[in-house]
Amino acid sequence: NAGVTQTPKFQVLKTGQSMTLQCAQDMNHNSMYWYRQDPGMGLRLIYYSASEGTTDKGEVPNGYNVSRLNKREFSLRLESAAPSQTSVYFCASSHLKSMGQGSGQPQHFGDGTRLSIL
Amino acid sequence: QQPVQSPQAVILREGEDAVINCSSSKALYSVHWYRQKHGEAPVFLMILLKGGEQKGHEKISASFNEKKQQSSLYLTASQLSYSGTYFCGSIIRGGAQKLVFGQGTRLTINP
Repeated sequence: NAGVTQTPKFQVLKTGQSMTLQCAQDMNHNSMYWYRQDPGMGLRLIYYSASEGTTDKGEVPNGYNVSRLNKREFSLRLESAAPSQTSVYFCASSHLKSMGQGSGQPQHFGDGTRLSIL
Repeated sequence: QQPVQSPQAVILREGEDAVINCSSSKALYSVHWYRQKHGEAPVFLMILLKGGEQKGHEKISASFNEKKQQSSLYLTASQLSYSGTYFCGSIIRGGAQKLVFGQGTRLTINP
């Protein structure tokens, strides 16, 4: 039972390059999330998708785009990478039955992608 | 909107107790608690949904004071395995269904 799978696990980019971080979950969850984690900053929400076909901005969306490809997959794209985007990126998923019920559901995290931008 | 955790770091000897607090400036719908070991993903501990609710998980328990907009995580008779960074996450009443995390509390347990 894989849970939440992120690829790649490590990546080094040059400033200005683009890349897509992939995330897939096999728990039949309808909500998915992208976070970034920087030292001393905790986890900050970049984008989330409450259900298939919808995406919304989180706390720090600038410089990122997302695609909810289907119920299982939620990708994060950096169009023109900047050194300030060096971070550890976590994808998470949870079950959201309807508004008001999702808050009672735990989030399950992938192992993270460690991204360095030179 | 980010909840504020205190203290930022705690160092204990094995067997001692610790309390980690999480406060919000906004009315809360629920509070989540997660633990993260170094280099690993955060792992879910518990969720508190109602004001006054208390939940337990082995020797780790938590309370939620809805009126004060705060939650506390209690670790009793700490074990070496409790070391890590603890995060609270809050969902705000009337807001979107998104979890906003505090900055974390680093807990170190020494033998």
